Amino acid sequence: AQSVAQPEDQVNVAEGNPLTVKCTYSVSGNPYLFWYVQYPNRGLQFLLKYITGDNLVKGSYGFEAEFNKSQTSFHLKKPSALVSDSALYFCAVRANNAGNMLTFGGGTRLMVKP
Amino acid sequence: SQTIHQWPATLVQPVGSPLSLECTVEGTSNPNLYWYRQAAGRGLQLLFYSVGIGQISSEVPQNLSASRPQDRQFILSSKKLLLSDSGFYLCAWSLGQLRTGYTFGSGTRLTVV
Repeated sequence: AQSVAQPEDQVNVAEGNPLTVKCTYSVSGNPYLFWYVQYPNRGLQFLLKYITGDNLVKGSYGFEAEFNKSQTSFHLKKPSALVSDSALYFCAVRANNAGNMLTFGGGTRLMVKP
Repeated sequence: SQTIHQWPATLVQPVGSPLSLECTVEGTSNPNLYWYRQAAGRGLQLLFYSVGIGQISSEVPQNLSASRPQDRQFILSSKKLLLSDSGFYLCAWSLGQLRTGYTFGSGTRLTVV
């Protein structure tokens, strides 16, 4: 069975500082990995994905994530946080033999303070 | 381009009343469709998914049901709402092997009073 862990319920950073939101996964086979962002009372929006190729993936709003196969991690990063980045972030994974289902992590709330 | 529509955006319903939430997808064919519930702004609970017309898989036993009467239409229903049905309901669609992930609707905030 596949699983995703987001070990931090909340991450607090100051505006202008770098941010990291952690994600680790467990799947059999090669994973498809995704990050989504959710603003209050909105649906989830796609940020970035890793399917294959370069381990460093760049996405929307200046976010990036690095696929680390040996550590089974896909941490979300941004060099300089903005107050407007404050939101709920979800990591998701699909094993390559898992058909059409994503497994989501529990979400991490990012708070960026001015 | 593909779009997903979900309505209504907010709904306040009394306990014991029926429920019908609708989700439609445009610009694609044979999508996989999903209903999720999110409580208290946290994790996502998969309620139902469908890979084709009339094909519904239920992930958790509950007071809700789903139907897919047309290829791009997914309906979430209840005959009698419970207080515990309150939450934020999200519809999503995907294609094939998920290389593009899920696309989510804007959600429905349901409050049962």
